[in-house]
Amino acid sequence: KNEVEQSPQNLTAQEGEFITINCSYSVGISALHWLQQHPGGGIVSLFMLSSGKKKHGRLIATINIQEKHSSLHITASHPRDSAVYICAVRVTNKLIFGTGTLLAVQP
Amino acid sequence: EAGVAQSPRYKIIEKRQSVAFWCNPISGHATLYWYQQILGQGPKLLIQFQNNGVVDDSQLPKDRFSAERLKGVDSTLKIQPAKLEDSAVYLCASSLQGATGYTFGSGTRLTVV
Repeated sequence: KNEVEQSPQNLTAQEGEFITINCSYSVGISALHWLQQHPGGGIVSLFMLSSGKKKHGRLIATINIQEKHSSLHITASHPRDSAVYICAVRVTNKLIFGTGTLLAVQP
Repeated sequence: EAGVAQSPRYKIIEKRQSVAFWCNPISGHATLYWYQQILGQGPKLLIQFQNNGVVDDSQLPKDRFSAERLKGVDSTLKIQPAKLEDSAVYLCASSLQGATGYTFGSGTRLTVV
């Protein structure tokens, strides 16, 4: 069993839909990152969380430390949101990555 | 603020050839990471530097992969000789002490044919 599990692995949505991607982890962490990776390979950091909730534009990330669970929400989804979303947890000075969620938003 | 710079963006080589990737981290970031990301998988840490010293290279295939970070700034990752299974995106990331400000580069996509 991976230390970081994401669900779903693949997600197809219609433009405008509300999207949720989940991340569960089994290790003690100091922080959790949500990352976005476009087909070209580059990774962009969306959020770093250690508690509570953060919002940036149409993106919202929440974390429940007791339940070892985090969610990434996208409101009013758009085709340009199509990408791989990766959850990564920080353990000491290392990041442990989930395998990612491939999101396709159709117009 | 300039991001983490990587070059080249793409590289196609034949198996048994050699290849080198270059990374320039964000100024002032003491920690530098090289990751290998095979299609459909999350990134796998190959090597982590703290300044010019190696902190973790436990997953680096040392028979063919090498990395250096002379002067504690730029870093190069080399594969010699390359195998078909080395086809992947090679990502460089840097951070301040304690993984603060973790930033990834755009990656180098390597195809070994």
